[in-house]
Amino acid sequence: TQLLEQSPQFLSIQEGENLTVYCNSSSVFSSLQWYRQEPGEGPVLLVTVVTGGEVKKLKRLTFQFGDARKDSSLHITAAQPGDTGLYLCAGAPGANNLFFGTGTRLTVIP
Amino acid sequence: DAGITQSPRHKVTETGTPVTLRCHQTENHRYMYWYRQDPGHGLRLIHYSYGVKDTDKGEVSDGYSVSRSKTEDFLLTLESATSSQTSVYFCAISELSAIAFFGQGTRLTVV
Repeated sequence: TQLLEQSPQFLSIQEGENLTVYCNSSSVFSSLQWYRQEPGEGPVLLVTVVTGGEVKKLKRLTFQFGDARKDSSLHITAAQPGDTGLYLCAGAPGANNLFFGTGTRLTVIP
Repeated sequence: DAGITQSPRHKVTETGTPVTLRCHQTENHRYMYWYRQDPGHGLRLIHYSYGVKDTDKGEVSDGYSVSRSKTEDFLLTLESATSSQTSVYFCAISELSAIAFFGQGTRLTVV
């Protein structure tokens, strides 16, 4: 089993603050995905990173894949209440499978 | 939104009874997956399919079976439900492996 550890597990911040969420593993992944999940819904894909050192931006969200393709980070600038949710990372060691981290539950307080 | 429909959305069943969950897609994607989501464990893969009648086990497959007789349908069967199978079940699809769209989930309670 590929173990993906996410930190922190819970994060509560004020609107306008910045934050970073981490996803770490001892395994190498061919790609890594980030998802956001809202209560009662399935996860929604935010981004896929495939190249070591790759940085992708999605509005106020910045995603980085580690050089060794074992870890990733998600940085949110000026968090808004609409960013509230469960953030999941998932790594693909190869084809046909995804291993998920346990998630970071983010609450942005207005 | 990707066209994935899970049914039923909620189900309560008794221990020892068989249960079948259905996933239907309208995207004609090759890969289909069944995950379960539990507090503290995240999403764990039960079974997946890479084509009609082609399936394989995931990390938590014991007590579950699957079938895919058509591209659009992927069925998950709990052969004899146990309380440990109380969970939220998600179906997912992808065309390129490792990139998935998820259904809205089925909340199953085994009493």
